[in-house]
Amino acid sequence: KNQVEQSPQSLIILEGKNCTLQCNYTVSPFSNLRWYKQDTGRGPVSLTIMTFSENTKSNGRYTATLDADTKQSSLHITASQLSDSASYICVVSANPPGNQFYFGTGTSLTVIP
Amino acid sequence: KAGVTQTPRYLIKTRGQQVTLSCSPISGHRSVSWYQQTPGQGLQFLFEYFSETQRNKGNFPGRFSGRQFSNSRSEMNVSTLELGDSALYLCASSLGTSGRARNEQFFGPGTRLTVL
Repeated sequence: KNQVEQSPQSLIILEGKNCTLQCNYTVSPFSNLRWYKQDTGRGPVSLTIMTFSENTKSNGRYTATLDADTKQSSLHITASQLSDSASYICVVSANPPGNQFYFGTGTSLTVIP
Repeated sequence: KAGVTQTPRYLIKTRGQQVTLSCSPISGHRSVSWYQQTPGQGLQFLFEYFSETQRNKGNFPGRFSGRQFSNSRSEMNVSTLELGDSALYLCASSLGTSGRARNEQFFGPGTRLTVL
């Protein structure tokens, strides 16, 4: 069964600290993996998109890694800021027989001063 | 460049009614996808339209339908509303079909539908 699981479900960290969010998937065949940030009451915003051949991709203080062999991805946030408080969603795309998306339930991150 | 816009932003309906939601993609984008987001189920894919054709469909009942116009604007319709249809409905646009890695999706702010 194609699934995407994220951990932890929620996380509270102090401003300035680093954190890592996890995404494990069983989607096959794999096309690409995306991380989104969703602020409360707003639509998701794309952070990174990675294909099978990409191991690491950065977007400012956000760095995503992908291990296609173990079917794991992580999102590392460096020097967290209050504005990083949001829900982070991992989405895996499978390709045939048409584009299919599988969504994680998200990690809710709260950054406190 | 203007972002993805959705109208209305908030909607309250009663069971049995029908509703139509509208999405205007970023200029030049030809793909529009629709998603339902609820606290219990998270994000779920409804369908995708590309060049006025439905390219992909999620596992939702036939009460959920959509269409895309020649200017890429899209509408989603839900008939015979049920309490469980209360959700945030998001649309996203991309240059090409959304599944390809090179086609980044840009989401609108969503329409909050409440069914009483």
